[in-house]
Amino acid sequence: EVQLLESGGGLEEPGGSLRLSCAASGFTFSNYAMSWVRQAPGKGLEWVSTISGSGGTTNYADSVKGRFTISRDNSKNTLYLQMNNLRAEDTAVYYCAKTGGIHWGFDYWGQGTLVTV
Amino acid sequence: EIVMTQSPATLSVSPGERATLSCRASLTVSSKLAWYQQKPGQAPRLLIYGASTRATGIPARFSGSGSGTDFTLTISSLQSEDFAVYFCQQYNNWPPLTFGGGTKVEIK
Repeated sequence: EVQLLESGGGLEEPGGSLRLSCAASGFTFSNYAMSWVRQAPGKGLEWVSTISGSGGTTNYADSVKGRFTISRDNSKNTLYLQMNNLRAEDTAVYYCAKTGGIHWGFDYWGQGTLVTV
Repeated sequence: EIVMTQSPATLSVSPGERATLSCRASLTVSSKLAWYQQKPGQAPRLLIYGASTRATGIPARFSGSGSGTDFTLTISSLQSEDFAVYFCQQYNNWPPLTFGGGTKVEIK
Protein backbone atom coordinates (compact mmCIF):
# COMPACT_ATOMS: atom_id res chain seq x y z
CA GLU A 1 0.00 0.00 0.00
CA VAL A 2 1.38 3.38 -1.03
CA GLN A 3 1.71 5.80 1.86
CA LEU A 4 2.98 9.38 1.92
CA LEU A 5 3.37 11.09 5.27
CA GLU A 6 4.24 14.77 5.43
CA SER A 7 5.71 16.56 8.41
CA GLY A 8 7.40 19.84 9.25
CA GLY A 9 4.58 22.31 8.86
CA GLY A 10 3.81 24.97 11.42
CA LEU A 11 3.66 28.67 12.18
CA GLU A 12 6.49 30.85 10.93
CA GLU A 13 7.01 34.57 10.63
CA PRO A 14 7.47 36.31 7.28
CA GLY A 15 11.06 35.95 6.12
CA GLY A 16 11.52 32.75 8.08
CA SER A 17 12.25 29.21 6.94
CA LEU A 18 10.68 25.79 7.23
CA ARG A 19 11.63 22.36 5.93
CA LEU A 20 8.90 19.94 4.98
CA SER A 21 9.49 16.21 4.75
CA CYS A 22 7.48 13.44 3.11
CA ALA A 23 8.19 9.85 4.05
CA ALA A 24 7.17 7.42 1.31
CA SER A 25 6.48 3.71 1.46
CA GLY A 26 4.79 0.98 -0.53
CA PHE A 27 6.52 1.62 -3.86
CA THR A 28 10.00 1.88 -5.35
CA PHE A 29 10.59 5.50 -4.45
CA SER A 30 13.53 6.15 -6.77
CA ASN A 31 11.50 5.11 -9.82
CA TYR A 32 9.05 8.01 -9.59
CA ALA A 33 9.10 11.75 -9.86
CA MET A 34 7.62 13.42 -6.79
CA SER A 35 5.95 16.77 -6.34
CA TRP A 36 4.67 19.30 -3.84
CA VAL A 37 1.22 20.80 -4.41
CA ARG A 38 -0.30 23.40 -2.11
CA GLN A 39 -3.76 24.64 -1.31
CA ALA A 40 -4.39 27.98 0.37
CA PRO A 41 -7.35 28.02 2.80
CA GLY A 42 -10.60 27.78 0.86
CA LYS A 43 -8.78 27.92 -2.49
CA GLY A 44 -7.82 25.60 -5.32
CA LEU A 45 -4.73 23.52 -5.96
CA GLU A 46 -1.40 25.06 -6.95
CA TRP A 47 1.56 23.06 -8.19
CA VAL A 48 4.75 24.07 -6.37
CA SER A 49 7.62 21.85 -7.51
CA THR A 50 8.59 18.50 -9.04
CA ILE A 51 11.77 16.45 -8.80
CA SER A 52 12.72 13.51 -11.01
CA GLY A 53 13.26 10.04 -9.62
CA SER A 54 17.03 10.42 -9.62
CA GLY A 55 16.86 13.93 -8.23
CA GLY A 56 18.74 15.31 -11.20
CA THR A 57 15.91 17.42 -12.59
CA THR A 58 13.83 19.92 -10.66
CA ASN A 59 11.11 22.36 -11.66
CA TYR A 60 9.43 25.15 -9.74
CA ALA A 61 6.44 27.43 -9.95
CA ASP A 62 7.45 31.05 -10.58
CA SER A 63 5.84 32.00 -7.26
CA VAL A 64 8.44 30.01 -5.30
CA LYS A 65 11.46 29.97 -7.61
CA GLY A 66 14.58 31.15 -5.82
CA ARG A 67 12.99 30.71 -2.38
CA PHE A 68 12.04 27.02 -2.23
CA THR A 69 14.25 24.00 -2.92
CA ILE A 70 12.96 20.50 -3.57
CA SER A 71 15.22 17.53 -2.88
CA ARG A 72 15.02 13.83 -2.15
CA ASP A 73 17.00 11.12 -0.39
CA ASN A 74 16.30 7.87 -2.19
CA SER A 75 18.17 5.90 0.48
CA LYS A 76 15.64 7.13 3.03
CA ASN A 77 12.59 7.18 0.73
CA THR A 78 12.04 10.78 1.71
CA LEU A 79 11.11 13.94 -0.19
CA TYR A 80 11.90 17.41 1.13
CA LEU A 81 10.89 21.01 0.53
CA GLN A 82 13.15 23.69 1.98
CA MET A 83 11.13 26.90 2.20
CA ASN A 84 13.07 30.15 2.73
CA ASN A 85 12.05 33.79 2.85
CA LEU A 86 8.46 32.79 3.57
CA ARG A 87 5.65 35.16 2.70
CA ALA A 88 2.06 35.45 3.93
CA GLU A 89 0.89 34.15 0.55
CA ASP A 90 2.74 30.88 1.16
CA THR A 91 0.17 30.00 3.82
CA ALA A 92 -1.39 26.74 2.67
CA VAL A 93 -1.71 23.03 3.19
CA TYR A 94 1.24 21.44 1.44
CA TYR A 95 0.71 18.03 -0.11
CA CYS A 96 3.36 15.59 -1.19
CA ALA A 97 2.24 13.75 -4.33
CA LYS A 98 3.56 10.85 -6.38
CA THR A 99 3.42 11.06 -10.16
CA GLY A 100 1.77 8.29 -12.09
CA GLY A 101 4.83 7.12 -13.94
CA ILE A 102 3.06 6.69 -17.25
CA HIS A 103 1.46 10.09 -16.85
CA TRP A 104 2.17 13.35 -15.05
CA GLY A 105 -0.97 13.29 -12.99
CA PHE A 106 -0.69 12.58 -9.26
CA ASP A 107 -1.88 9.11 -8.35
CA TYR A 108 -1.16 9.24 -4.61
CA TRP A 109 -1.23 12.13 -2.17
CA GLY A 110 -0.22 12.58 1.43
CA GLN A 111 -2.61 13.94 4.02
CA GLY A 112 -0.97 17.37 3.88
CA THR A 113 0.82 19.59 6.36
CA LEU A 114 -0.29 23.13 7.18
CA VAL A 115 2.14 26.01 6.82
CA THR A 116 1.03 29.32 8.28
CA VAL A 117 3.07 32.46 7.66
CA GLU B 1 1.33 29.02 -19.01
CA ILE B 2 -1.76 27.00 -19.89
CA VAL B 3 -4.81 28.29 -18.04
CA MET B 4 -7.46 25.73 -17.10
CA THR B 5 -11.04 26.98 -16.69
CA GLN B 6 -13.73 24.84 -15.08
CA SER B 7 -17.46 25.35 -15.29
CA PRO B 8 -19.77 25.68 -13.59
CA ALA B 9 -18.24 26.77 -10.30
CA THR B 10 -21.07 25.02 -8.46
CA LEU B 11 -23.35 22.28 -9.73
CA SER B 12 -26.51 21.33 -7.81
CA VAL B 13 -27.60 17.79 -8.53
CA SER B 14 -30.02 15.35 -6.94
CA PRO B 15 -28.78 11.89 -5.91
CA GLY B 16 -29.18 9.45 -8.78
CA GLU B 17 -28.97 12.14 -11.43
CA ARG B 18 -26.17 12.66 -13.95
CA ALA B 19 -23.56 15.35 -13.40
CA THR B 20 -21.55 16.86 -16.25
CA LEU B 21 -18.49 18.97 -15.42
CA SER B 22 -16.47 20.93 -17.96
CA CYS B 23 -12.81 21.88 -18.17
CA ARG B 24 -11.33 24.06 -20.89
CA ALA B 25 -7.64 24.68 -21.62
CA SER B 26 -6.31 27.94 -23.02
CA LEU B 27 -4.11 25.96 -25.44
CA THR B 28 -4.31 22.39 -26.59
CA VAL B 29 -3.21 19.81 -24.02
CA SER B 30 -3.82 16.82 -26.30
CA SER B 31 -5.21 14.11 -23.99
CA LYS B 32 -2.88 14.92 -21.12
CA LEU B 33 -5.51 15.78 -18.62
CA ALA B 34 -6.36 14.43 -15.18
CA TRP B 35 -9.40 14.80 -12.93
CA TYR B 36 -9.39 14.74 -9.14
CA GLN B 37 -12.02 14.56 -6.44
CA GLN B 38 -11.53 16.33 -3.12
CA LYS B 39 -13.74 16.05 -0.07
CA PRO B 40 -13.56 18.50 2.86
CA GLY B 41 -10.50 17.96 5.01
CA GLN B 42 -9.07 15.33 2.67
CA ALA B 43 -6.36 15.19 0.05
CA PRO B 44 -7.37 15.06 -3.61
CA ARG B 45 -7.92 11.64 -5.17
CA LEU B 46 -7.05 10.84 -8.77
CA LEU B 47 -10.10 9.81 -10.77
CA ILE B 48 -9.08 10.02 -14.42
CA TYR B 49 -5.82 10.41 -16.35
CA GLY B 50 -5.15 10.59 -20.06
CA ALA B 51 -8.51 12.40 -20.30
CA SER B 52 -10.48 9.14 -20.21
CA THR B 53 -8.66 6.39 -18.30
CA ARG B 54 -10.05 5.63 -14.87
CA ALA B 55 -7.48 5.35 -12.11
CA THR B 56 -7.22 2.21 -10.02
CA GLY B 57 -10.34 1.52 -7.97
CA ILE B 58 -12.46 4.30 -9.46
CA PRO B 59 -16.08 3.24 -10.08
CA ALA B 60 -17.36 2.98 -13.63
CA ARG B 61 -19.94 5.74 -13.02
CA PHE B 62 -17.04 8.19 -13.45
CA SER B 63 -16.05 8.80 -17.07
CA GLY B 64 -13.89 11.33 -18.82
CA SER B 65 -13.92 12.52 -22.39
CA GLY B 66 -12.45 15.13 -24.68
CA SER B 67 -9.13 16.11 -26.20
CA GLY B 68 -7.40 19.27 -27.30
CA THR B 69 -8.94 22.08 -25.29
CA ASP B 70 -12.36 20.81 -24.15
CA PHE B 71 -12.91 18.07 -21.61
CA THR B 72 -15.81 16.62 -19.67
CA LEU B 73 -16.11 14.59 -16.49
CA THR B 74 -19.42 12.75 -16.23
CA ILE B 75 -20.78 11.08 -13.14
CA SER B 76 -23.57 8.90 -14.46
CA SER B 77 -25.65 8.49 -11.29
CA LEU B 78 -24.58 10.55 -8.31
CA GLN B 79 -24.10 8.74 -5.05
CA SER B 80 -23.99 10.47 -1.68
CA GLU B 81 -20.23 10.01 -1.50
CA ASP B 82 -19.74 11.86 -4.81
CA PHE B 83 -20.66 15.27 -3.45
CA ALA B 84 -17.27 16.98 -3.43
CA VAL B 85 -15.06 19.40 -5.34
CA TYR B 86 -13.58 18.28 -8.65
CA PHE B 87 -10.41 19.65 -10.23
CA CYS B 88 -8.88 19.15 -13.65
CA GLN B 89 -5.13 19.35 -14.30
CA GLN B 90 -3.09 19.50 -17.50
CA TYR B 91 0.31 17.91 -17.89
CA ASN B 92 0.94 18.40 -21.59
CA ASN B 93 2.98 21.58 -21.42
CA TRP B 94 4.88 22.25 -18.22
CA PRO B 95 6.28 23.74 -16.11
CA PRO B 96 4.03 24.84 -14.73
CA LEU B 97 1.59 22.01 -14.15
CA THR B 98 -1.75 23.78 -13.89
CA PHE B 99 -5.10 23.05 -12.28
CA GLY B 100 -8.56 24.37 -12.93
CA GLY B 101 -10.29 26.36 -10.22
CA GLY B 102 -12.63 23.50 -9.34
CA THR B 103 -16.32 22.62 -9.56
CA LYS B 104 -18.24 21.98 -6.37
CA VAL B 105 -20.93 19.34 -6.77
CA GLU B 106 -23.58 19.89 -4.12
CA ILE B 107 -26.83 18.22 -3.19
CA LYS B 108 -29.88 19.80 -4.80
